[in-house]
Amino acid sequence: QVQLVESGGGVVQTGMSLRLSCAASGLTFSNYGMHWVRQAPGKGLEWVAVISFDGSKKYFADSVKGRFTISRDNSKNTLYLQMNSLRAEDTALYYCASGWYLFDYWGQGTLVTVSS
Amino acid sequence: QSALTQPASVSGSPGQSITISCTGTSSDVGGYKYVSWYQQHPGKVPKLIIYEVSYRPSGVSNRFSGSKSGNTASLTISGLQAEDEADYYCSSYTSSSTLVFGGGTKLTVL
Repeated sequence: QVQLVESGGGVVQTGMSLRLSCAASGLTFSNYGMHWVRQAPGKGLEWVAVISFDGSKKYFADSVKGRFTISRDNSKNTLYLQMNSLRAEDTALYYCASGWYLFDYWGQGTLVTVSS
Repeated sequence: QSALTQPASVSGSPGQSITISCTGTSSDVGGYKYVSWYQQHPGKVPKLIIYEVSYRPSGVSNRFSGSKSGNTASLTISGLQAEDEADYYCSSYTSSSTLVFGGGTKLTVL
């Protein structure tokens, strides 16, 4: 079955950087667009970014534009999120999810805590 | 990229039907068929229950149905069961090629 496993979360200070990874299995990764979605503690879902199946198209939420980048390595079935200039409001559980117009498979998430 | 508008909470008794609305604009909900709905139980991962306004993924109960009129999409759950108690989120594709979620609705089964 499809498995998406995020990693790379942790506690970082304001202004620092962090790179998240999402390892995919059970699907033809190179055929799927992939998203990052986050959920702050006790809050709702917030879409963060999407990358097309071949990496040629990338789109970002206004809240992270210019600070976060999304990339993928189809040879490794892995999705990445490079997060720079982290702020307290970036504290959240970060999920990767497959799809383009929707989110059909989700990982369990990796927790990012940004402290001052 | 304003969030779509959902009621904060809805409730219903077992066996009843409830509807959750999701209001956007002509640049998202009203402009595309790409509205989807997600169910999230406490501490769990969101689960896709409706895509492209009204289609159910394999394995999702036919008690869940979706529709859209103008800039408002709706999720209806019929024959409410205790296990339906969860948070529900709508999502839509937008004219900026981005995605946007609603603020979420907490469903309580009385």
